[in-house]
Amino acid sequence: DVKVTQSSRYLVKRTGEKVFLECVQDMDHENMFWYRQDPGLGLRLIYFSYDVKMKEKGDIPEGYSVSREKKERFSLILESASTNQTSMYLCASSPPSGIYNEQFFGPGTRLTVL
Amino acid sequence: RKEVEQDPGPFNVPEGATVAFNCTYSNSASQSFFWYRQDCRKEPKLLMSVYSSGNEDGRFTAQLNRASQYISLLIRDSKLSDSATYLCVVTQYSSASKIIFGSGTRLSIRP
Repeated sequence: DVKVTQSSRYLVKRTGEKVFLECVQDMDHENMFWYRQDPGLGLRLIYFSYDVKMKEKGDIPEGYSVSREKKERFSLILESASTNQTSMYLCASSPPSGIYNEQFFGPGTRLTVL
Repeated sequence: RKEVEQDPGPFNVPEGATVAFNCTYSNSASQSFFWYRQDCRKEPKLLMSVYSSGNEDGRFTAQLNRASQYISLLIRDSKLSDSATYLCVVTQYSSASKIIFGSGTRLSIRP
């Protein structure tokens, strides 16, 4: 059974803290993604990675960075958390790009920044 | 204008009814299309891909209309377990940065 796991289901941080969100997949997928999901806005792509040490900006990369040192792990970093980064964060992975590329999602991390 | 638009609903229909909802997209270069299902407080999961010729999976039928730039999802004989949010996803070929999710249509099936 395919699996994408995220390090925390719920996280509460203070403004200005550095926050790490971890994602691990066991499907040997090349592509990994970080999204945030907010009511009325849907899922928005923050960053994605198509290979180890490779990363590409998505639609809303400001305030975030990522790290992919190993194929199975993709980390999202909030260098200095702000209240407008309170959101649900979803990690996903997919096999190499093609026209029909299903994404497999982790359970999400609900981050609250106070 | 949003690149992918969905009626947020909620659609509230009785069990056994047929329900359909659409998703419009603005970029005519869009290449592939999907419907995902997201249960409350859960992650999205692929429901079905949408092919140009239309496709059916049991009670679910997906259609693509490139001329009018929309995709549709039809659910026949709806079940209580169909209650969820349905997300429309549009991608452009080989470019992961162009994966665009709609904000979802909420469906509630009542007994």
